[in-house]
Amino acid sequence: NAGVTQTPKFQVLKTGQSMTLQCAQDMNHNSMYWYRQDPGMGLRLIYYSASEGTTDKGEVPNGYNVSRLNKREFSLRLESAAPSQTSVYFCASSASGGAYGSSYEQYFGPGTRLTVT
Amino acid sequence: SQQGEEDPQALSIQEGENATMNCSYKTSINNLQWYRQNSGRGLVHLILIRSNEREKHSGRLRVTLDTSKKSSSLLITASRAADTASYFCATVSGGSNYKLTFGKGTLLTVNP
Repeated sequence: NAGVTQTPKFQVLKTGQSMTLQCAQDMNHNSMYWYRQDPGMGLRLIYYSASEGTTDKGEVPNGYNVSRLNKREFSLRLESAAPSQTSVYFCASSASGGAYGSSYEQYFGPGTRLTVT
Repeated sequence: SQQGEEDPQALSIQEGENATMNCSYKTSINNLQWYRQNSGRGLVHLILIRSNEREKHSGRLRVTLDTSKKSSSLLITASRAADTASYFCATVSGGSNYKLTFGKGTLLTVNP
């Protein structure tokens, strides 16, 4: 099993350009997530999808859109890139959260390093 | 906003020594998780402790949770150079069974 895969690994964009980051998991997980990681800030949740067909905003959704294409794939789109979106982006997945108080570990992809000039 | 805050921000020890990292959080939790991140890589789950548990072990890892103090600690015993990484605590709170809130991490350096 590949786990969680992300493409591309690196990307340089000019301000105003658009792009889509791709993520796929082969663990039959219901929930998927997009985070960004900036120096000194830890990981911040951009969007998540608790199950196929649903998406919700996280802590820092502005400037991003997502699509849960099917159970395996969850993409993140930057419509008009800005220098403030320079970051490392991680996709993650987990089994369903289930009943209150039960929760599952998240599995992370290797990340996409994005630079916006 | 960050829920967990790790302490210290950076820790440097010699191989064979124990490493202790602490995490404090603000609101009540369902569970708390610790993750490791090697430089340039994604995060890897280490251990999960539920709010009704006080201590958990996994190999050389020992995690404690004190819900009255809203704090957790991660102890790595007999550290190795390969343990060099950033360590993050993450919490699941309230009805957000799916969402983790991460702290800023502790950078552990184990010197050979």
